[in-house]
Amino acid sequence: EPEVTQTPSHQVTQMGQEVILRCVPISNHLYFYWYRQILGQKVEFLVSFYNNEISEKSEIFDDQFSVERPDGSNFTLKIRSTKLEDSAMYFCASSRRTVDVASPLHFGNGTRLTVT
Amino acid sequence: TQLLEQSPQFLSIQEGENLTVYCNSSSVFSSLQWYRQEPGEGPVLLVTVVTGGEVKKLKRLTFQFGDARKDSSLHITAAQPGDTGLYLCAGPQYNTDKLIFGTGTRLQVFP
Repeated sequence: EPEVTQTPSHQVTQMGQEVILRCVPISNHLYFYWYRQILGQKVEFLVSFYNNEISEKSEIFDDQFSVERPDGSNFTLKIRSTKLEDSAMYFCASSRRTVDVASPLHFGNGTRLTVT
Repeated sequence: TQLLEQSPQFLSIQEGENLTVYCNSSSVFSSLQWYRQEPGEGPVLLVTVVTGGEVKKLKRLTFQFGDARKDSSLHITAAQPGDTGLYLCAGPQYNTDKLIFGTGTRLQVFP
């Protein structure tokens, strides 16, 4: 069964550095998402992406964050200048249709980002 | 903002026991999904419920969507250690691409 793959599985970076988290969504899916989960807390929506543009973003997704689908297969999340509070598991997800029509999300196994 | 509260937050039980996990909101959802998440992995979909009052069964797991579509429950019969994990309910925020997750129930089943 096709799956969402994320790299790297673990990224350690120093505060103020830029990081790029990478994802390869399922190939026939049209909607792409980034979620994060701070240790012990709930899964939080960051951003959704459809038709090569952001369709929704949360208040967490400020100017330090950006997403890109550079080549039709990869979907990346960039954090320009990391802060300690950015430490979390970052999950990429994709779906065939919008969640509003009960389309399930397929999640990757996440990237654990540790900012020191 | 629509919120989903789950209870209990933690549950530790012996193998063979039954349990129920609740997902509640003051808002109506067009559908609700249940996911299970194991350590170091992403959430994996268990089921989607769409119609108020709907009941879906997945082996020993029974999912119910409330008549008013504001709540849902997950009942596990004869729990096994393999059921251990974080159970998450999630629903779409109205008219958006955003899936809202509940606060989660961490289940531990001891042999």
